[in-house]
Amino acid sequence: QVQLVQSGAEVKKPGASVRVSCKASGYTFTNFGVTWVRQAPGQGLEWMGWIGKDNGDTKYAQKFRGRVAMTADTSTSTAYMELRRLTSDDTALYYCARDRGRPSQFDYWGQGTLVTVSS
Amino acid sequence: DIQMTQSPSSLSASVGDRVTITCQASQDIRNCLNWYQQKPGKAPKLLIYDASNLEAGVPSRFSGNISGADYTFTISSLQPDDVATYYCQQYDNLSLFGPGTKVDIK
Repeated sequence: QVQLVQSGAEVKKPGASVRVSCKASGYTFTNFGVTWVRQAPGQGLEWMGWIGKDNGDTKYAQKFRGRVAMTADTSTSTAYMELRRLTSDDTALYYCARDRGRPSQFDYWGQGTLVTVSS
Repeated sequence: DIQMTQSPSSLSASVGDRVTITCQASQDIRNCLNWYQQKPGKAPKLLIYDASNLEAGVPSRFSGNISGADYTFTISSLQPDDVATYYCQQYDNLSLFGPGTKVDIK
């Protein structure tokens, strides 16, 4: 069965960076992209960006450009999302999801990784 | 930039009621719209893709439609298990979620 397993919770200080991993199994990793979505406490869903299925093509929401980097290691079927220059506004649950398109539909989701930014 | 709106922001209905949520985009998104259900403490779940296609395994009481420039999501007969927040998501230009509609039982 398709599974996306994310790395554990992180606590970071303002100004630091965080890297979240997302290990996929149960499907051919290079046949789908990966999208990243975050959700601040009590808030809605926010699309952050997408990494493509083969050549590592990326698309980022305007809000995160220059501060986010999405990569993928096809040898381990793992996607990564790094967010730099963290502030308290980045405290959120970060999800990865399998993406059918460029982006399009997000059909399987990870369990979420809580990132807390606090001094 | 595309803006997405959803209405209502919340609703309360009785079991068996028909429930409809509307999503509007600030520009033409060419039916590139999906609907998700998110229950408390859980990851979102894809219900409807490309505006009107039911995702495999999703109950048929859920449906999506297009009415002019509006995208509608309907639960034909509300069940207790449907208590959740529902989000629309466009992918015509990058991607963006609507603000969500919280549905509960009266």
